[in-house]
Amino acid sequence: QLAVTQSPSASASLGASVKVTCILSSGHSSYAIAWHQQQPQKGPRYLMKVNSDGSHYRGDGIPDRFSGSSSGTERYLTISSLQSEDEGDYYCQTWTNGLVVFGGGTKLTVL
Amino acid sequence: EVQLVESGGALVQPGGSLRLSCTASGFIVSSNYMSWVRQAPGKGLEWVSVIYSGGTTHHADSVKGRFTISRDNSQNTLYLQMNNVQVDDTAMYYCARGSQGLNLDYWGQGTLVAVSA
Repeated sequence: QLAVTQSPSASASLGASVKVTCILSSGHSSYAIAWHQQQPQKGPRYLMKVNSDGSHYRGDGIPDRFSGSSSGTERYLTISSLQSEDEGDYYCQTWTNGLVVFGGGTKLTVL
Repeated sequence: EVQLVESGGALVQPGGSLRLSCTASGFIVSSNYMSWVRQAPGKGLEWVSVIYSGGTTHHADSVKGRFTISRDNSQNTLYLQMNNVQVDDTAMYYCARGSQGLNLDYWGQGTLVAVSA
């Protein structure tokens, strides 16, 4: 069954980099995922699509500090030069015919 | 510029009905896959429903038989008809556009549904 798993929390210092991981369920290593950001008290914002080959496509207006990559069933979101406004929840999302699946979210704290 | 604006959220009693709307601009709703996603207070994102460009619909098991997604092409608007609502349906409801399938690349600001006696 299609599912995605995320660590519940991550943290890094202002100006540093952080890597957030999303793990696809076994047998789904070819699936693409999307990353979404949700800042406190705001709605979700699309960041990018990450394909199984590691190629990634950022959404409109998303700075290149945000990048994506892949390895097997793992999909990554890397945020470099962390800023205070990067603090919030990050969700990965995948899909198949007739179904959309979200991870539980990773709460990012900028120290 | 792509924009999605939800409306219709309200306080409703258990067993009641509600219709949410999502008015789109900057693109054609019927040419895209469109979804509803909800977020209960303090919880994560939960997919609710999708309508494909061809008109096929799918709903999450938690709302199947109670919620119906539809669209009005002339109004470029997406709807979610919610019947027999339960307390567990309390959430912010977002509409989202899908591109390259169900890669949800634009979101609305949300509309709040509260179910309480």
